[in-house]
Amino acid sequence: AQSVSQHNHHVILSEAASLELGCNYSYGGTVNLFWYVQYPGQHLQLLLKYFSGDPLVKGIKGFEAEFIKSKFSFNLRKPSVQWSDTAEYFCAVNDNTDKLIFGTGTRLQVFP
Amino acid sequence: SQTIHQWPATLVQPVGSPLSLECTVEGTSNPNLYWYRQAAGRGLQLLFYSVGIGQISSEVPQNLSASRPQDRQFILSSKKLLLSDSGFYLCAWRRGADGYTFGSGTRLTVV
Repeated sequence: AQSVSQHNHHVILSEAASLELGCNYSYGGTVNLFWYVQYPGQHLQLLLKYFSGDPLVKGIKGFEAEFIKSKFSFNLRKPSVQWSDTAEYFCAVNDNTDKLIFGTGTRLQVFP
Repeated sequence: SQTIHQWPATLVQPVGSPLSLECTVEGTSNPNLYWYRQAAGRGLQLLFYSVGIGQISSEVPQNLSASRPQDRQFILSSKKLLLSDSGFYLCAWRRGADGYTFGSGTRLTVV
């Protein structure tokens, strides 16, 4: 069965610092990859997604992620974080089935 | 417009009581529907998914069940709640190539 690993459980940064959150998955076939964000007290929102094509995907709010097939990774990056980026971030993977499998999430705290 | 509704928003139930959480989708037909549970430190765990009326796939053994009585309705149930059933329950539907949309969730506390 496929699985998704997010090794950073809790990340604390100062504003303007660079961010990279790790995501690795276990499925060896074709995958669709997602990053979702959950701001405090709000719904899950789609940040970005990769289905095919350019492995460097740009999402909303200045986030981007790079799909590296050989490493089974889809890390999320942002060059300069803001206080408003404080949230929980979830990586998710969908293979050829109808299931979307999530990682355990990374809690990001940004201090001004 | 396409929307997903989930209720109630919060629920406090005693151990051993039954549970029924409802999720409905508007503006689409024959959606794939999902129930997830979000527990602290455990991310989102897929509980059930359904590709059509009466079709339910269970992902993990548990005290819960799901039903899909109508095309755009997905219900999560339990006959007798356990303390371990506490958590945040999310309904979602798959919007084809656009990905997945999540409901606002139900915070369930079993006391």
